[in-house]
Amino acid sequence: ENVLTQSPGTLSLSPGERATLSCRASQSVSSGHLAWYQQKPGQAPRLLIYGASSRATGVPDRFRGSGSGTDFTLTISRLEPEDFAVYHCQHYGNSLTFGGGTKVEIK
Amino acid sequence: QVHLVQSGAEVKTPGASVKVSCKTSGYTFTGYFIHWIRQAPGQGLEWMGRINPNRGVTNSAQKFQGRVTMTRDTSINTAYMELSSLRSDDTAVYFCARADDSMVTQFWGQGTLVTVSS
Repeated sequence: ENVLTQSPGTLSLSPGERATLSCRASQSVSSGHLAWYQQKPGQAPRLLIYGASSRATGVPDRFRGSGSGTDFTLTISRLEPEDFAVYHCQHYGNSLTFGGGTKVEIK
Repeated sequence: QVHLVQSGAEVKTPGASVKVSCKTSGYTFTGYFIHWIRQAPGQGLEWMGRINPNRGVTNSAQKFQGRVTMTRDTSINTAYMELSSLRSDDTAVYFCARADDSMVTQFWGQGTLVTVSS
């Protein structure tokens, strides 16, 4: 099983600031099958990034995914009020593995 | 548009079983895998398993093998997940999600809260 470790656990930032979230895999992620999701309280996760760096339909370009192999990053260039949420990384394929999540909270 | 609509909240006693449904629309049901994922209160996401709606073939996480049963009814475009021998730590929101051709889970149901309590 490919274990995904997200850091930090919580990120305290102000609107307009840049957020950098990390996801590290215990084994290389095959074919770049790494996705990022945003989740708000009481809601299902929303797909943001797939294939490590491709934005899903309707996702603003302030969200950028990067990385390969075992190290991946989600960058939010300038935080908007609606971006404060929990972010999950996922290794997808025949099965799914999730990281523990990073909460982006208002400072 | 693609929609996945799940059944309502359930309260169960320890040792019982629960069956959650996931009714789909807006696409060819038999064309895409359905995954089941759960999220305990305040916790992360945990994959339980998946079903190929075309053939009914399933794969489940080792942790749930022997306790989870995933089925589908192609006549009503609905997938089901049944979890047996419920314990208090099975209290969670259960999600269904549809995988795309690239295997990413883009479309999710709204979630079903299952509470296990005596």
